Amino acid sequence: AQSVTQLGSHVSVSEGALVLLRCNYSSSVPPYLFWYVQYPNQGLQLLLKYTSAATLVKGINGFEAEFKKSETSFHLTKPSAHMSDAAEYFCAVSKGTGGFKTIFGAGTRLFVKA
Amino acid sequence: NAGVTQTPKFQVLKTGQSMTLQCAQDMNHNSMYWYRQDPGMGLRLIYYSASEGTTDKGEVPNGYNVSRLNKREFSLRLESAAPSQTSVYFCASSEEGNRSYEQYFGPGTRLTVT
Repeated sequence: AQSVTQLGSHVSVSEGALVLLRCNYSSSVPPYLFWYVQYPNQGLQLLLKYTSAATLVKGINGFEAEFKKSETSFHLTKPSAHMSDAAEYFCAVSKGTGGFKTIFGAGTRLFVKA
Repeated sequence: NAGVTQTPKFQVLKTGQSMTLQCAQDMNHNSMYWYRQDPGMGLRLIYYSASEGTTDKGEVPNGYNVSRLNKREFSLRLESAAPSQTSVYFCASSEEGNRSYEQYFGPGTRLTVT
C-alpha cells in the first residue's frame, strides 16, 4: 500500500532563508511523486513532479525536489524564501496510471517571516 | 480555458438537507475526482470517475453519491447532510496520458452543516 508522511505540520522561516519541507513515502512499485501548493482559499496547483526521469526535479517559483530511493524521500527545497511562498504544501504519491491511486500527505503550512 | 470550475463556492445546510455540488472541466480530461479537505488530514478521495460513464468509490464514500453527466461534468450529491460532512470539497481532473498524471483542481466549495 502507498502512503505519504510529511514531517512537520507547520514550518516557519525568515524571508531569504532556505525552505526545506520533508516528505517520505512508501510504495510497493516505483512511484510517481508530486508536490502541490495551496494558497489561501484556493485549490491545489502542481509545483513539480517526479516520473522516473531525473532525480532532481525543478518546479515553478524556484522550488526543486530530489528523489532519493534509498531514503524513500522527496523533500522540497527553495534556496531563498519569499513572502509570497507562504502557503500549504502537499506531497503526493501515485502508482502512475490511474490518478485515483494518488495519496496525499497531511500537508505542511509554510510561514515566512519578514 | 477556465480549467476546473465548481459551484457553489459556499453553502450552509441544516442537518438532513440535500444538495448537489457541481463540477465542470474544459480540458477534455477523461478522469475526474471529488475530494474533501479537513484540517490535518490532507485530501481524502470520495469518488472518482476514470472515464465517462464510470464511477467508483474512493476512501470516504459514505453519505455521498456522484454522477458523471458527460465528459465535462461530474457532480457530487449529499442526500441527507450531517455535521460530519462540514468540509471543503474539491473537484479535480486529470488526463491519463504520457507523463500527464498530475491533477488539476477547482477552487473548492466550503460547506457547513449545522
